[in-house]
Amino acid sequence: GAVVSQHPSWVICKSGTSVKIECRSLDFQATTMFWYRQFPKQSLMLMATSNEGSKATYEQGVEKDKFLINHASLTLSTLTVTSAHPEDSSFYICSARDVGLETGELFFGEGSRLTVL
Amino acid sequence: GEDVEQSLFLSVREGDSSVINCTYTDSSSTYLYWYKQEPGAGLQLLTYIFSNMDMKQDQRLTVLLNKKDKHLSLRIADTQTGDSAIYFCAEIHNDYKLSFGAGTTVTVRA
Repeated sequence: GAVVSQHPSWVICKSGTSVKIECRSLDFQATTMFWYRQFPKQSLMLMATSNEGSKATYEQGVEKDKFLINHASLTLSTLTVTSAHPEDSSFYICSARDVGLETGELFFGEGSRLTVL
Repeated sequence: GEDVEQSLFLSVREGDSSVINCTYTDSSSTYLYWYKQEPGAGLQLLTYIFSNMDMKQDQRLTVLLNKKDKHLSLRIADTQTGDSAIYFCAEIHNDYKLSFGAGTTVTVRA
């Protein structure tokens, strides 16, 4: 199947700093990518829909100024957690839709674990 | 309430069959999915079923869909220790967003 790569896999940062997480579709083009957040032992919560060449669409309750999303190309979306605080510590997972597939199947990255000290 | 519901835990003996159940709410979902998540990893698509199908079999995996009751199940035959993981069922909406269940933690004991 298609491959989605996330980088970094894990990151530790100090409170108040910003962290950027990249999501790349390696062998297909993705006009739409999704960013999820997962707390320990919980399900995935959709944060936002990243659209290539336009603004991201955020889910209710997600601060767009806190979680900046940029989808500059058909294979790359980035999530920047600005002025990170310990409560932002979480597992962030991206997914991408292969427009060439009718199944609407989403391919997931391996996730990025953020720890804010 | 939650869009997708599934039981939280399942313990099964190695070699036995595992059955994970799920209910969903969006009757317009064209596809329903089962994902597997191992500790510290992302989600791996196990299988999916088109909404006009009742059953799909893929090696050790069997998916049953009851569209009338909006009930989905995943059966894993001959469960192995490597099958220990969290399994999520998901429904897709018209805007390609997925709604996930809370995940079923499957523990395989020797």
